Amino acid sequence: AQSVSQHNHHVILSEAASLELGCNYSYGGTVNLFWYVQYPGQHLQLLLKYFSGDPLVKGIKGFEAEFIKSKFSFNLRKPSVQWSDTAEYFCAVGWSGYSTLTFGKGTMLLVSP
Amino acid sequence: ETGVTQSPTHLIKTRGQQVTLRCSSQSGHNTVSWYQQALGQGPQFIFQYYREEENGRGNFPPRFSGLQFPNYSSELNVNALELDDSALYLCASSHGQGADYGYTFGSGTRLTVV
Repeated sequence: AQSVSQHNHHVILSEAASLELGCNYSYGGTVNLFWYVQYPGQHLQLLLKYFSGDPLVKGIKGFEAEFIKSKFSFNLRKPSVQWSDTAEYFCAVGWSGYSTLTFGKGTMLLVSP
Repeated sequence: ETGVTQSPTHLIKTRGQQVTLRCSSQSGHNTVSWYQQALGQGPQFIFQYYREEENGRGNFPPRFSGLQFPNYSSELNVNALELDDSALYLCASSHGQGADYGYTFGSGTRLTVV
């Protein structure tokens, strides 16, 4: 079955620390990969997406992610987090030809000032 | 600001009742997907509508049903509500029916079943 795993449910960092959130998906095939962010009380917003091409993808607010096909991974990174990055982050995978996105359970990031 | 509008924002219903949630898709988007996000979980796919037809369904019972209208807006109906139906219900619109396209999400409807 298609599944998406996010390794950390909660992450606490100090401002200016570097961030890496892990995401793995269950099996191969052609995939489209997404990271969404959900700020408290707000809707899901797209941070970045990968469809094809350069496996290093840059998104909004200084976030980037790297697709490693051999590891079925799409990890999210940011060199220096800010207090305003406090939010829940969701990795999502769309297998080509399917209607759905499959989401991970999310990682709650708390950045302390 | 999101182009997807959902109503109502919050709703409290009693077990056994029926509920209808509404979604207006982003301009230019012809596909609507519905997701259920339980507390502490990621969104779970309920179903998708494309050109007024159901186009894919997740692991949800038949008491979860939907409609899409000619203007691409959509409704999610849930009959015989159960306590476990309490969740945030998200609507997402896209241009195209597969997961090959990005989705724009609405702010959701928070449903509480008591």
